[in-house]
Amino acid sequence: GESVGLHLPTLSVQEGDNSIINCAYSNSASDYFIWYKQESGKGPQFIIDIRSNMDKRQGQRVTVLLNKTVKHLSLQIAATQPGDSAVYFCAETLEYGNKLVFGAGTILRVKS
Amino acid sequence: KAGVTQTPRYLIKTRGQQVTLSCSPISGHRSVSWYQQTPGQGLQFLFEYFSETQRNKGNFPGRFSGRQFSNSRSEMNVSTLELGDSALYLCASSSLAGKETQYFGPGTRLLVL
Repeated sequence: GESVGLHLPTLSVQEGDNSIINCAYSNSASDYFIWYKQESGKGPQFIIDIRSNMDKRQGQRVTVLLNKTVKHLSLQIAATQPGDSAVYFCAETLEYGNKLVFGAGTILRVKS
Repeated sequence: KAGVTQTPRYLIKTRGQQVTLSCSPISGHRSVSWYQQTPGQGLQFLFEYFSETQRNKGNFPGRFSGRQFSNSRSEMNVSTLELGDSALYLCASSSLAGKETQYFGPGTRLLVL
């Protein structure tokens, strides 16, 4: 399959701290990237996206950074809250249309 | 606006059977994509439909098929089920055909015994 992994890295942060989740994407031709959050028993929830003509995009409490030189994507969450605990996936589009290729995911645990 | 809905939410089948899963996209969305999620392989793209036409297909055997109706609702079918088909099947919809935000449904949990 195209989404490999599955020894998910875990990031543990204290409530109120900032979190940074990293992702290495696979194809230098990818031009659209999305971060999703998935809580237990639910489908992935859209967080933020970025196109390849940008290197930074900010949302509410979240920032995505794109470094095309090293094919790296990061998600920064400010003032992390217990409700942010979930698995976070980055995804890239490789082809025309809506085919997403997902990273393996990162578990975020927020300690109160 | 209602989100993506998937039915059924849970399903138990035995090897050799077939199964049909249904997805209703967000109102106004015309693209529907299907993904399989397993602990071993993560999230993998199955196929995408737009205006009743399959636009992209992932690397899955022909036992996996789908279709889209004129109201954008989509179904996927898996024939001759294998134990390895046990997974969470996710449907996502977006408004346009290319590289727009995809919104996911809650998924259908399929267990093959």
